Amino acid sequence: QSALTQPASVSGSPGQSITISCTGTSSDVGGYNYVSWYQQHPGKAPKLMIYEVSNRPSGVSNRFSGSKSGNTASLTISGLQAEDEADYYCSSYTSSSTNYVFGTGTKVTVL
Amino acid sequence: QLQLQESGPGLVKPSETLSLTCTVSGGSISSSSYYWGWIRQPPGKGLEWIGSIYYSGSTYYNPSLKSRVTISVDTSKNQFSLKLSSVTAADTAVYYCARLAPGGRFDPWGQGTLVTVSS
Repeated sequence: QSALTQPASVSGSPGQSITISCTGTSSDVGGYNYVSWYQQHPGKAPKLMIYEVSNRPSGVSNRFSGSKSGNTASLTISGLQAEDEADYYCSSYTSSSTNYVFGTGTKVTVL
Repeated sequence: QLQLQESGPGLVKPSETLSLTCTVSGGSISSSSYYWGWIRQPPGKGLEWIGSIYYSGSTYYNPSLKSRVTISVDTSKNQFSLKLSSVTAADTAVYYCARLAPGGRFDPWGQGTLVTVSS
């Protein structure tokens, strides 16, 4: 089971919106609404930002939103802020024996 | 508030067994609906799911590590543990424990512990 594919880096200016893609297959992203997104600041543990494609845990800013089309899921950060600069990982349940697969990770830079 | 904390040696020799424990506080490891999992992250690289366990002891593992991994649970101590045998330098990573909710979301996570494999 290969990792889900994410762009290595995405950047934007404060106040702008950016979108991170996460591409898998019909066995994972495309087959289930079990896509999650995690934010990881340097030296810190990942933090859940989105689950089941588009749901936000309590306490997560509504500037973060998720969606899915076919085999590709997306995380959009609107009103980009300096504190959003971090690595972002998607993950999905998969019908393969691996069960859970993570994305390759995307570094978000706030210009 | 549920919290998880990893503990164990930070240095393991090649060919030996890595052993870590995750202590759960602020909630019961015997809660229904939740599994408990281990995830690792080599320095500068991405995340890899290692395996998960239910409080009853039911487990499932990443096939790429299955032959070397054992995850167990001790409900009396509210802990679950990871053993990874025959380690090599490629097993050097930050190891995280996390609660696994239905739908495959890992939340919350422990702070992580760096394990270095070196002689």
